Amino acid sequence: DTGVSQDPRHKITKRGQNVTFRCDPISEHNRLYWYRQTLGQGPEFLTYFQNEAQLEKSRLLSDRFSAERPKGSFSTLEIQRTEQGDSAMYLCASRKEGETQYFGPGTRLLVL
Amino acid sequence: AQRVTQPEKLLSVFKGAPVELKCNYSYSGSPELFWYVQYSRQRLQLLLRHISRESIKGFTADLNKGETSFHLKKPFAQEEDSAMYYCALISGGYNKLIFGAGTRLAVHP
Repeated sequence: DTGVSQDPRHKITKRGQNVTFRCDPISEHNRLYWYRQTLGQGPEFLTYFQNEAQLEKSRLLSDRFSAERPKGSFSTLEIQRTEQGDSAMYLCASRKEGETQYFGPGTRLLVL
Repeated sequence: AQRVTQPEKLLSVFKGAPVELKCNYSYSGSPELFWYVQYSRQRLQLLLRHISRESIKGFTADLNKGETSFHLKKPFAQEEDSAMYYCALISGGYNKLIFGAGTRLAVHP
């Protein structure tokens, strides 16, 4: 286990299409976060899972966004009907209780 | 509102010069603050956290509650310190991070 992994690393899609990203956390980490980073900005929190429960969602997470963590291990983030404003780097992070967050390499999304 | 401000987008210095990357925060209560670093083509990684009061790669940061600042300092910059640096604080019971916009440090030979 070499850390948090994310797939795909890059995604180019056309406006209106749906996309799904996957995050595999470090194996013993039961806490998982999604962030979004746009150009020139720091990461912004999107949502948080503890095991399979989604416990917090940011106002940034519009109705077109949905995240799941069905078995408390990997997580998916789906964006429906993508818009150009969704173009960003999507980061996943995980941690276990009492520790800091470890980040994945991110998925860079470009919506044309 | 909880906020982290990094006023400089770019800090350019020569090797061996002192470095100070500024970070100011807005938070009600006792904040827990961090510096994260992202080297070229690498993932975001923790550099240091204020509660540890440690020095990592020669960097230190002191929390100044009076000035609501958490500036990152290094007395002698090295070329390998060139990277994006993000200041962040923990918010809420689920420990989500609030990041500043980041400062790019460029250390020239």
